[in-house]
Amino acid sequence: DAGVIQSPRHEVTEMGQEVTLRCKPISGHDYLFWYRQTMMRGLELLIYFNNNVPIDDSGMPEDRFSAKMPNASFSTLKIQPSEPRDSAVYFCASSFPGTGPIFGPGTRLTVT
Amino acid sequence: AQSVTQLGSHVSVSEGALVLLRCNYSSSVPPYLFWYVQYPNQGLQLLLKYTTGATLVKGINGFEAEFKKSETSFHLTKPSAHMSDAAEYFCAVMNTGGFKTIFGAGTRLFVKA
Repeated sequence: DAGVIQSPRHEVTEMGQEVTLRCKPISGHDYLFWYRQTMMRGLELLIYFNNNVPIDDSGMPEDRFSAKMPNASFSTLKIQPSEPRDSAVYFCASSFPGTGPIFGPGTRLTVT
Repeated sequence: AQSVTQLGSHVSVSEGALVLLRCNYSSSVPPYLFWYVQYPNQGLQLLLKYTTGATLVKGINGFEAEFKKSETSFHLTKPSAHMSDAAEYFCAVMNTGGFKTIFGAGTRLFVKA
């Protein structure tokens, strides 16, 4: 298996632009997680899905953030409009029930 | 509700010395517990996990951790540190009710020659 695939690996954008991050989970995994990592706040859980259904989005910072999982093999995290404080590394992870999430390589987002 | 506390944001040991990274958790239901390692500019890699059964669990690279319910702890140890162990380590707790998984703040391990 290729593991969790994230794209792009790096994204640089200007404040106010829309940003879309993409994730392909490991085939067969029921759970998909989106995390954000910053020096100041550490690793934060933004949202997670079970069988394509959002279960808990309490970590989504504000309405500018949205996430979807239209099918078992694809998820997106969208920021609109983006702000400099959104600069971070965004990780997607997937798992079977009760197993540790397997992480993708991350997307490093820089908003100028 | 669940939370994870890692004691010590930085730990420094000499090569060959014991590694001890501390993790305490809180959870309203029996948890699953994990340790991950992160090398610079990489994603997180699962080191070991506790779900049920034996409370002393062994992982990759010679690491092990012991689940102590009475102390709500899951400390990570390695008998002899190697230079290649220098990285950041994260403890995580999974809620067995809905499998929500949250992470501690991380502990950066430095290994001195």
